Parts: sequence; structure tokens; C-alpha cells
Amino acid sequence: AQSVTQPDIHITVSEGASLELRCNYSYGATPYLFWYVQSPGQGLQLLLKYFSGDTLVQGIKGFEAEFKRSQSSFNLRKPSVHWSDAAEYFCAVGGWNQGGKLIFGQGTELSVKP
Amino acid sequence: KAGVTQTPRYLIKTRGQQVTLSCSPISGHRSVSWYQQTPGQGLQFLFEYFSETQRNKGNFPGRFSGRQFSNSRSEMNVSTLELGDSALYLCASSFTGRPEESQYFGPGTRLLVL
Repeated sequence: AQSVTQPDIHITVSEGASLELRCNYSYGATPYLFWYVQSPGQGLQLLLKYFSGDTLVQGIKGFEAEFKRSQSSFNLRKPSVHWSDAAEYFCAVGGWNQGGKLIFGQGTELSVKP
Repeated sequence: KAGVTQTPRYLIKTRGQQVTLSCSPISGHRSVSWYQQTPGQGLQFLFEYFSETQRNKGNFPGRFSGRQFSNSRSEMNVSTLELGDSALYLCASSFTGRPEESQYFGPGTRLLVL
């Protein structure tokens, strides 16, 4: 069965520090992988996606993620965090035969210390 | 280009009542998916509609239903509301619902069942 695991429920980083949010997936075929961000009271905004090609993908707001098939991971990174990055981050997986259906991880809440 | 809109934004109902939520996708998008978000269960896929047909369905009871109109607007209905149906209901749209497409989420409808 498809599943997504985000091991860290809550992470706190200092402003200006680097960030890595972990995501592990379980999917039998080639996964379509996504990272979304949700600010309080808002919907989800797509940060980046991967489905083929270069395993390092660049997204909006300075985020990037690396697909590692051998580790079934798709970790999100940012070299320097800004206070406005405080939000909840969701990793999601889709599949070629799933249409628009996405399976989401439980989310990682990011707090940013000044 | 206008984003995905959802109405109403907030709703309070009592147990046993029914509720209808509306989602207007981005112009040109024909796939609409619905998700339920709760603190305990996270983001869970409800169903997806494409060209007025339900293409995919999540693991929810029959009290949850939906439909899509010829202009791609979608509604979801929950009958015989239970306390556990209190949640943020999100819809997302994409052009055709292919897994590699970006899905754009609306701000959600927050439903409180008393």
C-alpha cells in the first residue's frame, strides 16, 4: 500500500540556519512526489514536485528536494530559513494509475526562532 | 487568473444535519479532488471528479458524496453529520488530474459539527 512518513512532527530552527525536512515513501511503482506548505488558516501551496529526470528539483521560495530511490526518500531542504517559512509542510505521493489522488504524510510543523 | 475558491469558508452544523460544500476550480481545470483534514487523521483523500464523473474514491462512508457540473464546479455533500466530521475540507484542481500535473488547493471550508 502507498504511504508517506514524515518522521519529524515538529522542528525548530533559527532564522538563517539551514533546514532539512524528511520524507519517506512507500510505493510499488515510480512515485510522483510533492511537497506542499500550509500556513495557519490557509490551503496548501505547492513548493515543488518530482516525477522524472534530475533527482534534485528546485521549487519556489528557495526550496529544493532530492529524490533518492535507494532510500525511498524525498527530503526538502533550504539553505537559509526566513521567519516567514514558519508553517506546516506536507510531503505527498501520487501514482500513474491514481489520477489526481495524493497520499499525504502527517506533516512537519516548522517553527523559526529569531 | 483566479485561484480555487471554496464556499462557504466556515460552517456550523448540528449532528444529524446534512451539509453541501462548493468548489470552483481554476478556469480550464477539469479535475477536482476533495480532501478532509483533521488533527488526528491528517489529510485524507475523499474523491476525484473529472468531466462530471467520479474517477477515484477514498475510504469514506457513503454519507460522503460529491458531484461535478459541466462547468467543472464541484460540490460535496455529507449527510447525517457526526461529531467526527468536524474538519477542514479542501478541494484541489488540475487540468486533467494526471499525476504529474500540479494541483492547486483552495483555502478550505472549516466545518464544525456540534
